Amino acid sequence: ILNVEQSPQSLHVQEGDSTNFTCSFPSSNFYALHWYRWETAKSPEALFVMTLNGDEKKKGRISATLNTKEGYSYLYIKGSQPEDSATYLCAFMSSNYQLIWGAGTKLIIKP
Amino acid sequence: DSGVTQTPKHLITATGQRVTLRCSPRSGDLSVYWYQQSLDQGLQFLIQYYNGEERAKGNILERFSAQQFPDLHSELNLSSLELGDSALYFCASSPSGGPVDTQYFGPGTRLTVL
Repeated sequence: ILNVEQSPQSLHVQEGDSTNFTCSFPSSNFYALHWYRWETAKSPEALFVMTLNGDEKKKGRISATLNTKEGYSYLYIKGSQPEDSATYLCAFMSSNYQLIWGAGTKLIIKP
Repeated sequence: DSGVTQTPKHLITATGQRVTLRCSPRSGDLSVYWYQQSLDQGLQFLIQYYNGEERAKGNILERFSAQQFPDLHSELNLSSLELGDSALYFCASSPSGGPVDTQYFGPGTRLTVL
């Protein structure tokens, strides 16, 4: 059974601080790793799609790294702002073309 | 606004009934996905269509079925509804349905089974 785990489950961060969280996935049959941001009462929105080991992607203050050999990805947020409060989901795409989603890390930014 | 539309927004029905959820993908997208999000659970992939054909199947119950029509809109049919089917159902679309495609999510349909 393919399993994607995200940690921590939730995180409280002071405004202005930087933070990071982890997505762990199977290291075999890897095809792609997706990161999505899901704000309360909205729909998930894509952040990154990563495919290559060692890949690093950046979008403003948010960046992500990928290690396919050991099966993990980190998402970093620099200088957290209140609008960063959301649940961050990762999803693992294996060679059977099915996205397996993690349960998410709920990030709460304290002003 | 992702460009994906879902109707209805809310649906309240009774156990044993059958409902149909509708999804229109973004203009130009050929692939549609259906997801279920129950209370305290993550997104569960149900099924994917590409250009009218089923491409991948997840944890979709036999009581549920879906199809994608020639105009590319999709419908998810849920029958013999149970209390546990109460959930938020998302539709997403992507250009080609490939593994590195970004999926664009609709606003969801909240189903409540009483």
